[in-house]
Parts: sequence; structure tokens; C-alpha cells
Amino acid sequence: DTGVSQDPRHKITKRGQNVTFRCDPISEHNRLYWYRQTLGQGPEFLTYFQNEAQLEKSRLLSDRFSAERPKGSFSTLEIQRTEQGDSAMYLCASSLSRGLAGKETQYFGPGTRLLVL
Amino acid sequence: AQSVTQLDSHVSVSEGTPVLLRCNYSSSYSPSLFWYVQHPNKGLQLLLKYTSAATLVKGINGFEAEFKKSETSFHLTKPSAHMSDAAEYFCVVSIIQGAQKLVFGQGTRLTINP
Repeated sequence: DTGVSQDPRHKITKRGQNVTFRCDPISEHNRLYWYRQTLGQGPEFLTYFQNEAQLEKSRLLSDRFSAERPKGSFSTLEIQRTEQGDSAMYLCASSLSRGLAGKETQYFGPGTRLLVL
Repeated sequence: AQSVTQLDSHVSVSEGTPVLLRCNYSSSYSPSLFWYVQHPNKGLQLLLKYTSAATLVKGINGFEAEFKKSETSFHLTKPSAHMSDAAEYFCVVSIIQGAQKLVFGQGTRLTINP
């Protein structure tokens, strides 16, 4: 068990550029979550995957955001035409769901800190 | 709607003294509650969780929390603070709609004085 990893750890970009982040969950975890954390706030849910299917997206996830989990393993989060308001820490978490509601534990990665200039 | 309120944005204690981080929750059904800790430049780490079993939950590093339904509280405590406990602590409630979405409080920054 090597934990959840995220790449890159830091990203600085100019407004209007596209960025892509990667998350590698704990192996065999079937659920993968993305959260966003702005300075001084707790993380907020963005979206989640059950295996390769994206089952829910928050209203926080504008049309400029897209997430994929093509083979049910790693996931990518892409932000197109970045804006300064996108500056935040993007956190990934994974869990193993055995169908017992409320019993799963989400394990978080270290996050990708994005700064849009 | 499910939510949590962390009553203190910053708590400062001396090393070796007790720690109390306060959290109240709002939930329309029996909640699952968690405390996570976030050290600088590190990911969120689960301290403990309550999922309708014992109301007194023991976690890692000597932390524990008590679920009090009558007070809708889930306060985090530790008998004796250590310098390494300095971090940001988040109280979390889960929303179970398909998957388990976590709703985080605003966080409490714990400072330990030598």
C-alpha cells in the first residue's frame, strides 16, 4: 500500500492556459474523489468516480473542468482556460466501497497546489 | 443538509496540557463523522471516525472524540499535547448519496507552545 499519489505537487500557470493533474489511487480502490481547497477553507467536493464511471459532479465544477478515469485506475483533472479564481489546492482521495453505506474511509493524496497568474 | 461547524478557528495550548477542538454537526439522519489532520505540505490524514458504533472513538496519536447526539457535538480531545500535534484539524460529516461525499468544516489551527 503506497498511498494516494498526485502529480505535479505544484503548478504555476498563466491565465488562459490549460493544466492537467494526475491522481494515482491506492491500488484496488474502486472509488476516486476530487476536492478543491482554497486558502483558509476546508476542502470542497468536486466529483467522484466509481471504477471508470463519473457518477456525480458538483456545481463547483464549471464547463472548463473535466475529469477522467479511463481504466478505473488513475484519474486526470483538466482545467481549460484557467482563471485566477482557479488557484487552489486540488486534492484526490480514494476508497474501497463494499456497499456498506457510510463505512468507507477516504484516503487523501498530498494535493496539487495550483497558482494562476 | 449535512454540515459541520468548528467553533474555534485557532486554538493555542502549551506542550503537555490537554487539547480540546470543538465541532458541532447538523444532519437529518444518523451521521458518519470524522476528524482529519493536515500538516503543512502534507495530505489529509484520518485521525478517527464515528459510524454509529461506540460513542467514544479512539484514534491515532492519542486523540479521541465523543459523539453526543443530544448536543449534536463531536469534540476532539487529547490528554497531553505534543509539539508534533501542531497542524490544521478538520471535522467532517459524510453525505451518503450514492457515494460518500465528505463535507468539511472550516478547520481549526492548533498551535503548541513550548
